[in-house]
Amino acid sequence: RKEVEQDPGPFNVPEGATVAFNCTYSNSASQSFFWYRQDCRKEPKLLMSVYSSGNEDGRFTAQLNRASQYISLLIRDSKLSDSATYLCVVNEAGNTPLVFGKGTRLSVIA
Amino acid sequence: GAVVSQHPSWVICKSGTSVKIECRSLDFQATTMFWYRQFPKQSLMLMATSNEGSKATYEQGVEKDKFLINHASLTLSTLTVTSAHPEDSSFYICSARGQGRTGELFFGEGSRLTVL
Repeated sequence: RKEVEQDPGPFNVPEGATVAFNCTYSNSASQSFFWYRQDCRKEPKLLMSVYSSGNEDGRFTAQLNRASQYISLLIRDSKLSDSATYLCVVNEAGNTPLVFGKGTRLSVIA
Repeated sequence: GAVVSQHPSWVICKSGTSVKIECRSLDFQATTMFWYRQFPKQSLMLMATSNEGSKATYEQGVEKDKFLINHASLTLSTLTVTSAHPEDSSFYICSARGQGRTGELFFGEGSRLTVL
């Protein structure tokens, strides 16, 4: 049973494009949600948390739909430096381990 | 911000040897650290939860006698891969939450193990 599912991609988009990633999770008791970014052969780094009301950080917008158990990430005006793997991450509660999706690979091309 | 340091970042060893990986929280105390393993093009898979002063909790399918975890202080957890084999070659990443923090994990830089 896959707890966090993502489209693996790759998504190949031109600079300046808008791209959206989706993620679904199976545990309805999950309480915290995140998008992490992982560059090749590097550790994951937090991109942004995801809140029920939706939240925006510059060119990045995250949305959460608890009823559908669905999370999204929208990247506007893509930059070459946005090329990476984006990991959808879910936490049940408190100090329990995070559960990672397999990631969606994004390549932004000039 | 919080920093987690992992060492070594790269290690190559012969089959049958043991390799120790260290994970340190540099500016905060971490009562719990997590060890993940990531194979190429795969997601991070939790191996074990390391608890300061007590035994680690291993995920199903992870051999505790092969992957020895020690969390002797609030700033250091170690993972020892004993009698390493080529199939143990992977990217090992530790992570930690500081005291009072919820949600966000801080990751070490990862250790790439290659077993010949």
